[in-house]
Amino acid sequence: GAGVSQSPSNKVTEKGKDVELRCDPISGHTALYWYRQSLGQGLEFLIYFQGNSAPDKSGLPSDRFSAERTGGSVSTLTIQRTQQEDSAVYLCASSYDNTGELFFGEGSRLTVL
Amino acid sequence: QKEVEQDPGPLSVPEGAIVSLNCTYSNSAFQYFMWYRQYSRKGPELLMYTYSSGNKEDGRFTAQVDKSSKYISLFIRDSQPSDSATCLCAMIVMDSNYQLIWGAGTKLIIKP
Repeated sequence: GAGVSQSPSNKVTEKGKDVELRCDPISGHTALYWYRQSLGQGLEFLIYFQGNSAPDKSGLPSDRFSAERTGGSVSTLTIQRTQQEDSAVYLCASSYDNTGELFFGEGSRLTVL
Repeated sequence: QKEVEQDPGPLSVPEGAIVSLNCTYSNSAFQYFMWYRQYSRKGPELLMYTYSSGNKEDGRFTAQVDKSSKYISLFIRDSQPSDSATCLCAMIVMDSNYQLIWGAGTKLIIKP
C-alpha cells in the first residue's frame, strides 16, 4: 500500500522490557513525526525528523525514549525499561513538506503489564 | 494557558444538523490551520486546510479563520452518523523554529 505503515499494530510487554516500534513513511516524504495518544486524550508530540536536519527531540518524555530514522526513510521508536504509564497508542505520520498535511499510520498500541 | 484551546466535548447533535467546532489560539504567528478527523482506533486524517483569514468550503465542510480574533471554526452541514469521530484542529508557525501545535480534539456524536 501507499500509506504510512506501522508495526506491530499491538504489543503487550512486561514492565522493564524494551520495545521497538517501526514506522514506514510514504515514499518521498521528508518529514516524519511520532506522537503518543493515551486513551481519550489528544496527541502528545514526541519527535520530528525533517530531511537531514537534526531531529526535534523536545517531546521525548524521558531518556528511556529514543528514535532514529535510517536513510531518511524508516523510523524506529525505542522505549527502554518500559513502565505502565508508557501504555498508549504510538502514532507515526509523514508529510511531503512542512505545511501540515500529515498522513498518519494506524498506530501501534502498547500495553505494559 | 495552552497555545491552542479546544473543547473536548462530547458534542452530540441529531443527524442533519449543522455542526460547529471551534479552536482558539494565543500565538499570532500561526500561519497554517488544519482540521483533522480521527475515527476510533485509527490515525487522524486531514479534512480541511487553510492559510488565510476567511472561509474555505469543500462539500459539506466549511473552514473559517479569523486571525484578528485568533479563532478558527469548522462547520459541517447535513451531518451524518458517519461524521461521528474526534475532530482535531492543528496550526503551524514557520518562523525560525517550525512548530505544529494540536488542539485536544472534540468528540463529535451524530445521533441517527
